[in-house]
Amino acid sequence: GENVEQHPSTLSVQEGDSAVIKCTYSDSASNYFPWYKQELGKGPQLIIDIRSNVGEKKDQRIAVTLNKTAKHFSLHITETQPEDSAVYFCAASRGWGKLQFGAGTQVVVTP
Amino acid sequence: DTEVTQTPKHLVMGMTNKKSLKCEQHMGHRAMYWYKQKAKKPPELMFVYSYEKLSINESVPSRFSPECPNSSLLNLHLHALQPEDSALYLCASSRYRGTFGSGTRLTVV
Repeated sequence: GENVEQHPSTLSVQEGDSAVIKCTYSDSASNYFPWYKQELGKGPQLIIDIRSNVGEKKDQRIAVTLNKTAKHFSLHITETQPEDSAVYFCAASRGWGKLQFGAGTQVVVTP
Repeated sequence: DTEVTQTPKHLVMGMTNKKSLKCEQHMGHRAMYWYKQKAKKPPELMFVYSYEKLSINESVPSRFSPECPNSSLLNLHLHALQPEDSALYLCASSRYRGTFGSGTRLTVV
């Protein structure tokens, strides 16, 4: 089955700096790679996703890159703000349903 | 309406109790899911329903019994749970991408 590794497990950044989270996956047939943000007491919220036919996608301060050859994908958050503090999960799947999540990254943005 | 609604938000139950978790969505998604999330861990898939039929059961113990009465509703019936089943239970639905509910925080005493 699919195995997703996520690094780092914790990330502290100063407000305004950039944050980068990296994930690797094992199943070359995986074709869908979403990123979720989970705040305390809430369910995961989809913030951006990318499919295997695209190498990069950007939405305002958030971008995701995918390297299919190396089987890794990354989340980039620019100009971080305190409200970006949360746990971020990467995931991979063949289609959406059977998502395999990474272990998560606790991001702390200090003012 | 772009939400997945889960009730109750919190539930405390004894090991001999029977309870149900409910999930509702009105986005026309035909796939619905139950995930279990322990503290500081990622969500783990339990069940997948596709067009109201159970398509994936990730070897979940029979004390968890899912039900999909129609395309908008998903239930999870609980019976004879163990303290280690205490967790956040998340419902999700999808078409091309998934939406999670806020979850039910379950405590088994």
